[in-house]
Amino acid sequence: EVQLVESGGGLVQPGRSLKLSCVASGFTFSNYGMNWIRQAPGKGLEWVAYISSGSSYIYYAETVKGRFTISRDNAKNTLYLQMTSLRSEDTALYYCARRYIPDSWGQGVMVTVSS
Amino acid sequence: DIQMTQSPSLLSASVGDRVTLNCKASQNINKNLNWYQQKLGEAPKLLIYYTNNLQTGIPSRFSGSGSGTDYTLTISSLQPEDVATYYCYQYNSGWTFGGGTKLELK
Repeated sequence: EVQLVESGGGLVQPGRSLKLSCVASGFTFSNYGMNWIRQAPGKGLEWVAYISSGSSYIYYAETVKGRFTISRDNAKNTLYLQMTSLRSEDTALYYCARRYIPDSWGQGVMVTVSS
Repeated sequence: DIQMTQSPSLLSASVGDRVTLNCKASQNINKNLNWYQQKLGEAPKLLIYYTNNLQTGIPSRFSGSGSGTDYTLTISSLQPEDVATYYCYQYNSGWTFGGGTKLELK
């Protein structure tokens, strides 16, 4: 069974940084591209970033480009999202999702940016 | 950037109804479209991929169709457990979600 478990969220002040993790199990992590997708409270879904299986291809939404960095450690079956210069509009539930065309999602981790 | 517009934003229907949800892209997306179901408090679930392919384990009352810029998700006979918000998602150029259709029981 595919499992994706996010962690690292919390309350952070505007302008500060936070790093999210997503630990994968139940499949060969190194064979799959991965995404971060977020959902602001009461709002719709927004794709944030994608990384290919070997980290050769990385893409970002314009709203986070230059502030967020997606990375992965295939030896640890773990996906990361380093978030810097956080803004109030980054407040959201952050999901990791497997594959270029997302087929499995974690339960999400909440990030709240507020002073 | 490709914009995805879903309609209606809210749909009320009765158990057993045939329900149609619409998704319109701002340009041709070559059938590179998925549908996701998100129930309250849960993560999204993949229903349909590449316009009309049913994901494993999804009931056959769900189906998808479309081409070019216009796509449809159909539920042939609405069940109580289908109450959710449904999102279309294009991956032809970048990745973009529609704004969602909230489906409720009448």
